[in-house]
Amino acid sequence: DIVVTQSPLSLPVTPGEPASISCRSSQSLLHSNGYTYLDWYVQKAGQSPQLLIYLVSNRASGVPDRFSGSGSGTDFTLKISRVEAEDVGVYYCMQAVQVPLIFGGGTKVEIK
Amino acid sequence: QVQLQQSGPGLVKPSQTLSLTCDISGDSVSSNSAAWNWIRQSPSRGLEWLGRTYYRSKWSHEYAISVGSRMTINPDTSKNQLTLHLNSVTPDDTAVYYCARQWWRGSYFGMDVWGQGTTVTVSS
Repeated sequence: DIVVTQSPLSLPVTPGEPASISCRSSQSLLHSNGYTYLDWYVQKAGQSPQLLIYLVSNRASGVPDRFSGSGSGTDFTLKISRVEAEDVGVYYCMQAVQVPLIFGGGTKVEIK
Repeated sequence: QVQLQQSGPGLVKPSQTLSLTCDISGDSVSSNSAAWNWIRQSPSRGLEWLGRTYYRSKWSHEYAISVGSRMTINPDTSKNQLTLHLNSVTPDDTAVYYCARQWWRGSYFGMDVWGQGTTVTVSS
């Protein structure tokens, strides 16, 4: 199975400041079809996870453009250009290149 | 707008079978563009993918090794729903269970719709 590792575990941020979360996989997430299957999800308190980013860098419908995803192969990053109070939650990356689908351990973003 | 509505018991006794249903609206369980997943979340395991089913000319089912032979996902085209059955449950199966849709439309669009989650406790 692919191992997915996120860092940091916790990320206190000041509103208006940027934030960055790292996600690394034990194997390349590049499929033979040329797509890289790495998603980002956020889970806010008391809610189900919701899709933020798919295929490394594509924002899901309704996701603000302050969220961006980048990376390739085994190293990926989620960036929030200017954190807002509503961005508080736990962020997960997930590899979808093969089963079993694997989620990272999560990064808790909180406001300082 | 696609919605997933989950239902099922919140308490299951050890050794019994857990059954959860996910009712689909706005899409079809037999869609050629979707895969229907079950995921659970617990403090000890985090988000854990359990398995999925999808239709591409025929039905396919894929399961995590961790639940392997204990789990089945049954799609019901007449009710447009999918059901998870997990047998021989133990307290370690206590978790919040989610159904979720993965979607393709030419390209892959992520796990874009999630159910509301069902909290399941395994206890006598």
